[in-house]
Amino acid sequence: QKEVEQDPGPLSVPEGAIVSLNCTYSNSAFQYFMWYRQYSRKGPELLMYTYSSGNKEDGRFTAQVDKSSKYISLFIRDSQPSDSATYLCAITDSWGKLQFGAGTQVVVTP
Amino acid sequence: DVKVTQSSRYLVKRTGEKVFLECVQDMDHENMFWYRQDPGLGLRLIYFSYDVKMKEKGDIPEGYSVSREKKERFSLILESASTNQTSMYLCASSLLSGGSTDTQYFGPGTRLTVL
Repeated sequence: QKEVEQDPGPLSVPEGAIVSLNCTYSNSAFQYFMWYRQYSRKGPELLMYTYSSGNKEDGRFTAQVDKSSKYISLFIRDSQPSDSATYLCAITDSWGKLQFGAGTQVVVTP
Repeated sequence: DVKVTQSSRYLVKRTGEKVFLECVQDMDHENMFWYRQDPGLGLRLIYFSYDVKMKEKGDIPEGYSVSREKKERFSLILESASTNQTSMYLCASSLLSGGSTDTQYFGPGTRLTVL
C-alpha cells in the first residue's frame, strides 16, 4: 500500500466551478503537507504548504488538513481554464523526504 | 529567478546502453534530487545528494547511480538501460538540508524511452 493515496482522475469541471482534490496518508508521523501543480510538459511547482490541521487560504486556493483522519484537501474556487493541470499532494516524513501522491489531472472547460 | 535545467527533454536509447542524465541548478542549493514519474505512481525518489560528492539512496535506487562532482550539477546514470526504465525523469533542488518546508524546485523533466 502506498503511503500517500490520491485519485488520478481526470477530473473535469466547467469554468467557475469549485475544484475539490484530496489525498489520504497512512503514516501519522508525517509532518508537512504540500500541494504541487504540474502543467503539461513542465516540472511540478509548489502551490501551497501547511503543517497543522485546519485551513490555509491563498487567493482562490484553500488547503485543508485533518490529521485525525489523515486526510488533506485542496479547493480551487472560481476555477479557470488556466487551472487545468495535474495537482500532486506531497507530504514530508520525519527525515524531510517528500512522499508524493499519484497526482490528479484537472481539466477546466470554458 | 530560480532555475533548474536538464540536459535533454526527450531521449531515446537502446536496451543495454549507458545513459547519462544531467541536471544543473543556478541557485547555489545544497540539496539535489532525482525522481522518476510514472502514470498512477506519482513521483518516486531515486537518489538525492545533500553535498558535493555525497549521495543517499531514495526509494527506488536499483539500476541507477549518481554523481555530484560540483555543487550545481547532479547526474543520474543508468549503467545498462532496460525497458522498465522508460519514464519521465525529474531533477529538483532545495536550499537547506532536511528542511521540512524547504521548497524543492523542479526542472522540466527528461522523457526517456528505452527500446
